[in-house]
Amino acid sequence: DTGVSQNPRHKITKRGQNVTFRCDPISEHNRLYWYRQTLGQGPEFLTYFQNEAQLEKSRLLSDRFSAERPKGSFSTLEIQRTEQGDSAMYLCASSVGTADVGYTFGSGTRLTVV
Amino acid sequence: AQSVTQLGSHVSVSEGALVLLRCNYSSSVPPYLFWYVQYPNQGLQLLLKYTTGATLVKGINGFEAEFKKSETSFHLTKPSAHMSDAAEYFCASSSYNQGGKLIFGQGTELSVKP
Repeated sequence: DTGVSQNPRHKITKRGQNVTFRCDPISEHNRLYWYRQTLGQGPEFLTYFQNEAQLEKSRLLSDRFSAERPKGSFSTLEIQRTEQGDSAMYLCASSVGTADVGYTFGSGTRLTVV
Repeated sequence: AQSVTQLGSHVSVSEGALVLLRCNYSSSVPPYLFWYVQYPNQGLQLLLKYTTGATLVKGINGFEAEFKKSETSFHLTKPSAHMSDAAEYFCASSSYNQGGKLIFGQGTELSVKP
């Protein structure tokens, strides 16, 4: 069990560029979640997967955002045509599937859009 | 809809003093409640959780929390603060019908003075 791994840890990009983040969950965890955290705020839910199926997407996830989890293993979160308002910490978490268990979080990817 | 409110964005205590971080929730169904801790530039770590059963739950690092349904509260306490407790603390809620999605409070930054 190596925990939840997120790459890259930091990303600086110019406005209008596309970025992609990767999350590798704990291997036996079937649920994978993406959250966004801005400075001084709690994490906000973006989307989650059960195995390879994307079961829910927040209204925060505009058309510029897309997430995938091929084969129910790692997941990617892509942001197209980045905007300065996308600057945030993007957190990935995984769990074994029931709401009462609690998550294991990764260390996050900090995105800065300049 | 569920919501979580943390009273006090900053709490400062002296080393050895009682730590009390306040959390109130709103939920139309029985909630699952969690406390997470976040150190700078890191992901969130689960401190403790309440799902069902005993209302006083103990977690890691000497923290505990009590679920009080009548007060819709889940305050976090620790009898004696240590310098290493300085961090951001988040209260979160979920329920059986939320697909494991967590709703977070705004967070409370705990400072510990020597």
